[in-house]
Amino acid sequence: QQQVKQSPQSLIVQKGGISIINCAYENTAFDYFPWYQQFPGKGPALLIAIRPDVSEKKEGRFTISFNKSAKQFSLHIMDSQPGDSATYFCAASTGGNNRKLIWGLGTSLAVNP
Amino acid sequence: SQTIHQWPATLVQPVGSPLSLECTVEGTSNPNLYWYRQAAGRGLQLLFYSVGIGQISSEVPQNLSASRPQDRQFILSSKKLLLSDSGFYLCACISPTNTEAFFGQGTRLTVV
Repeated sequence: QQQVKQSPQSLIVQKGGISIINCAYENTAFDYFPWYQQFPGKGPALLIAIRPDVSEKKEGRFTISFNKSAKQFSLHIMDSQPGDSATYFCAASTGGNNRKLIWGLGTSLAVNP
Repeated sequence: SQTIHQWPATLVQPVGSPLSLECTVEGTSNPNLYWYRQAAGRGLQLLFYSVGIGQISSEVPQNLSASRPQDRQFILSSKKLLLSDSGFYLCACISPTNTEAFFGQGTRLTVV
């Protein structure tokens, strides 16, 4: 059972365009929602994260939008660049000592020059 | 911030051979440690996690085992590799004072 559903599976965007990746979750106990970026042959790295007490967080060209009532959150990449081409994973977790991240299946983003 | 050291970067092993992948952590104490496997073009599958020395939880029944002999050392092992064990193995940690997961650079395992 996939507790975090991510879409689309793949995305092609032109340079300068907006990339949007969506995730939906089921467990209302989740209290932390990160996005990770992974380049081929490398481990994922944290890109940006949000907690459910805010509806939006922006860091440079990357924005998370969070809709608690709909149990959805999304990543927006403004002015997408070829260097943004990577796989993006959303995740969700609950707190406590046994913190485990529940991962989406990933979105492969290609930004055409 | 934490640093994860994971080796080797690539490994080619014959079917039936043993496996030992090691992961060490710097920059934090008493972290939660995780082993993930990633098939080509797929998501992250959690294999094992540990909240302390000697404490291992298995997420998926399989041919692999994990051990944590020291606070910042996590080892993934197999007695006899199967073809299906091929994949990209990632070690990760979460500090007790943080929520961010840090990943190692991964080991590409090919079982032939």
